[in-house]
Amino acid sequence: QSALTQPRSVSGSPGQSVTISCTGTSSDVGGYDYVSWYQHHPGKAPKLMIFDVSNRPSGVPDRFSGSKSGNTASLTISGLQAEDEADYYCCSYAGSYTFALFGGGTKLTVL
Amino acid sequence: EVQLVESGGGLVKPGGSLRLSCAVSGFSFSNAWMNWVRQAPGKGLEWVGRIKSKTDGETTAYAAPVKGRFTISRDDSKNTLYLQMNSLKTEDTAFYYCTRRIAVAGTYYFDYWGQGTLVTVSS
Repeated sequence: QSALTQPRSVSGSPGQSVTISCTGTSSDVGGYDYVSWYQHHPGKAPKLMIFDVSNRPSGVPDRFSGSKSGNTASLTISGLQAEDEADYYCCSYAGSYTFALFGGGTKLTVL
Repeated sequence: EVQLVESGGGLVKPGGSLRLSCAVSGFSFSNAWMNWVRQAPGKGLEWVGRIKSKTDGETTAYAAPVKGRFTISRDDSKNTLYLQMNSLKTEDTAFYYCTRRIAVAGTYYFDYWGQGTLVTVSS
């Protein structure tokens, strides 16, 4: 199975909202409600931001939200802040042979 | 405080071997299902494999590109996860991260991650 498809980059000004899409197939994103999103600052440990499509771990601001429609999941960041600038990766469970599929990553630039 | 600290990365020639370690503290390692995820230069994340807890059979699973060449193991007495990499190829060049997957039915995500260790396969 191929990696999930994400836009290579998105950008927004402070205070604005941005949405990052993550497109898969009915065998992964569309087949399970197990989409998660990770924030990655280069050189640091990736950080879980959203799990099981739309759940936020404790400590993650409610500016981060997730959703899914069909084979496409989305991460929306509202009220953009400078510290949100990072790479974002989606991940989906893909069954008991492939297990986890990640997206290619999206670089978020806060203008 | 949860900490996952990878070590053992370095430069190795094609066909060579390397063993990575991941020292864990701050949560019950023995009950954890542990995974390795890698990121090649300029590429996205790629799941490498996982090992279940001893209670759950300590079974392993691997991604197709590494199956038969990589082996994941654990030492619960040392709170340490290992990745033995044999027959290394240039395309195995990547940062390797250890991460915990919540071992609960009805959910699937990786909540704790290390900062990674770099493996470079080059002649």
